[in-house]
Amino acid sequence: KQEVTQIPAALSVPEGENLVLNCSFTDSAIYNLQWFRQDPGKGLTSLLLIQSSQREQTSGRLNASLDKSSGRSTLYIAASQPGDSATYLCALSGSARQLTFGSGTQLTVLP
Amino acid sequence: GAGVSQSPRYKVAKRGQDVALRCDPISGHVSLFWYQQALGQGPEFLTYFQNEAQLDKSGLPSDRFFAERPEGSVSTLKIQRTQQEDSAVYLCASSTVRGEKLFFGSGTQLSVL
Repeated sequence: KQEVTQIPAALSVPEGENLVLNCSFTDSAIYNLQWFRQDPGKGLTSLLLIQSSQREQTSGRLNASLDKSSGRSTLYIAASQPGDSATYLCALSGSARQLTFGSGTQLTVLP
Repeated sequence: GAGVSQSPRYKVAKRGQDVALRCDPISGHVSLFWYQQALGQGPEFLTYFQNEAQLDKSGLPSDRFFAERPEGSVSTLKIQRTQQEDSAVYLCASSTVRGEKLFFGSGTQLSVL
C-alpha cells in the first residue's frame, strides 16, 4: 500500500524567503504526482502535476520535482508572499485512478 | 457550472441519523470522486464513478456508506446510521475522461453528535 509522508507538518517563514516542502512515498510505481493547495474551509486547488516520465514542472514562482528512484518530490516556492499561506498537499496516483494524499504541510508566510 | 458544487456546506446529525450529501460536478466531466478528510489529515479515497458506473468503491469504510450517480452527472453520498467517527469533511472532485487534473468542491463538513 502506498504511503505518503510530508515534512515538515508546519512551517513559518518571513515574507520574501524561498522555501522547500518535502514529500516522500514508498511505492515508486506511480502514474503521476500532484501538489495541491488547500485554504481553510475550502476545497483543494491543483498547483502542479508531474507525470511519471517527467522530472519537474514549473508554474510561476512554483517548481515541483520528482525523483521516483528515491521516492521523493519537492515543491519549491520562490519569493514567498503572505498570500501563499495555506496547507500544501502532495498526492500520487498509481494504476488505479484514485489519489493517495500526504497529511500536508501548513505554511504561514509572515508579512 | 463554473466549478464543482457541494451541498449542504455544513451538516449536523444526531448519531443514528441518515444523511445525504450532494455533488454537482463540472458540466461534461465524466469522472467523479468522493474523498473523506479528517481534521489535520489528507483526504482519503472513498469511491470513483465514470459516468453512471461506479468503477471503484474500495475506499468506502463500511456498508453504511453508499454512493450513486444515476444519470452520470449529480452524485449523492449517503451515510446510514451515522456514528461519531463519520465526522469529517467530505470532498467531491471531477475530471474529464482523459484529464488528470482534478477539480475539487469546497466540501461538506459533517458533524455527528
